[in-house]
Amino acid sequence: GAVVSQHPSRVICKSGTSVKIECRSLDFQATTMFWYRQFPKQSLMLMATSNEGSKATYEQGVEKDKFLINHASLTLSTLTVTSAHPEDSSFYICSTPGDLGEQYFGPGTRLTVT
Amino acid sequence: GQQVMQIPQYQHVQEGEDFTTYCNSSTTLSNIQWYKQRPGGHPVFLIQLVKSGEVKKQKRLTFQFGEAKKNSSLHITATQTTDVGTYFCAGQRRGSTLGRLYFGRGTQLTVWP
Repeated sequence: GAVVSQHPSRVICKSGTSVKIECRSLDFQATTMFWYRQFPKQSLMLMATSNEGSKATYEQGVEKDKFLINHASLTLSTLTVTSAHPEDSSFYICSTPGDLGEQYFGPGTRLTVT
Repeated sequence: GQQVMQIPQYQHVQEGEDFTTYCNSSTTLSNIQWYKQRPGGHPVFLIQLVKSGEVKKQKRLTFQFGEAKKNSSLHITATQTTDVGTYFCAGQRRGSTLGRLYFGRGTQLTVWP
């Protein structure tokens, strides 16, 4: 399956600052990537679908201006959490679909906003 | 509302006992997938079921897809401590973007040695 990396793996930031998370597909050209967030012991909540060369598609209830997604190349999608607040603290995971729609997840980014 | 229900939320078993988690969708699915997430890790794809009534096995794991393509189950025979983790089902609906999945809440499995 596809190999997906994420950077950083952990980040601590102060309230009001912005944080960028990178998701890279290392061996696969990913026209589509998905961004999820996961609270402790909770399920994966899809935030948005990132499309290479076009605007991301956001799920209902997800603020587009707060969670900026850029998919500038076939191997890189970025999620920027703008003006982060403590309630944004979460585990953010990206994934890319394989040929059958199966998902290959990155290792995730643990964001803590103080 | 939640479109894929998964039960139980937690399951504690002694090593050697069997374990089953169940998923039910409110709509017919084109396929259902299962993932395992170890504590502190990320979800890892296990299997995909596509056909009505399909049954697939991976060693001690048996996956089933219902006749109506709305429900699925994962059964682990004779659990081992290495089976610890959270098991998620995820359904793909007809007509949705390839890879756009609806995840269940997951079943967190604890295995006592």
